Amino acid sequence: DPKIIQKPKYLVAVTGSEKILICEQYLGHNAMYWYRQSAKKPLEFMFSYSYQKLMDNQTASSRFQPQSSKKNHLDLQITALKPDDSATYFCASSQDLGYEQYFGPGTRLTVL
Amino acid sequence: GDSVTQTEGLVTLTEGLPVMLNCTYQTIYSNPFLFWYVHYLNESPRLLLKSSTDNKRTEHQGFHATLHKSSSSFHLQKSSAQLSDSALYYCALSDRGNNAGAKLTFGGGTRLTVRP
Repeated sequence: DPKIIQKPKYLVAVTGSEKILICEQYLGHNAMYWYRQSAKKPLEFMFSYSYQKLMDNQTASSRFQPQSSKKNHLDLQITALKPDDSATYFCASSQDLGYEQYFGPGTRLTVL
Repeated sequence: GDSVTQTEGLVTLTEGLPVMLNCTYQTIYSNPFLFWYVHYLNESPRLLLKSSTDNKRTEHQGFHATLHKSSSSFHLQKSSAQLSDSALYYCALSDRGNNAGAKLTFGGGTRLTVRP
């Protein structure tokens, strides 16, 4: 059974629209994260949460808003989508902040 | 702040030759934790190795690395490259002891391509 679920696997959106990327982890971890990987670029850290509280935000744009309704959920809302937002978005979790992270399968977002 | 440097962005090797991917780091924390992640195409990154104590070698799936605090390094090595080793490799640093906001800092990644 998958331990970190990301939905959807693929997502196509039009410029200006809004989408929510879903992430759920069943590892019993206390910390969760979002990363982005654009084409031919390395992993880029976006957010970290610990016990549902935002701990670090390295995303310059307020169009990206994480949402944690439960301890094992960390969704990512993206508003006013732009073509440059096209990337694969990975959710990750760890026992606590700073411990080894386990990654989900990713959501590949394409903005037309 | 913390930083991780992977000097080679691209490494191309012939199958059977040894692999060495460089990783150096900077941190004010005296007891850092280092990790290597491997990222295969169309898969998610996964943990390959994590550091042990200073100067102690850790091994997994034929790869090994040794944390050297004296040189702030955690290079990834393998004695003989295989075609299936072709992937993107990330070195990452944790300041776990900093309870105010421990996080992983990733290097820029090294893309390893192994040719027949």
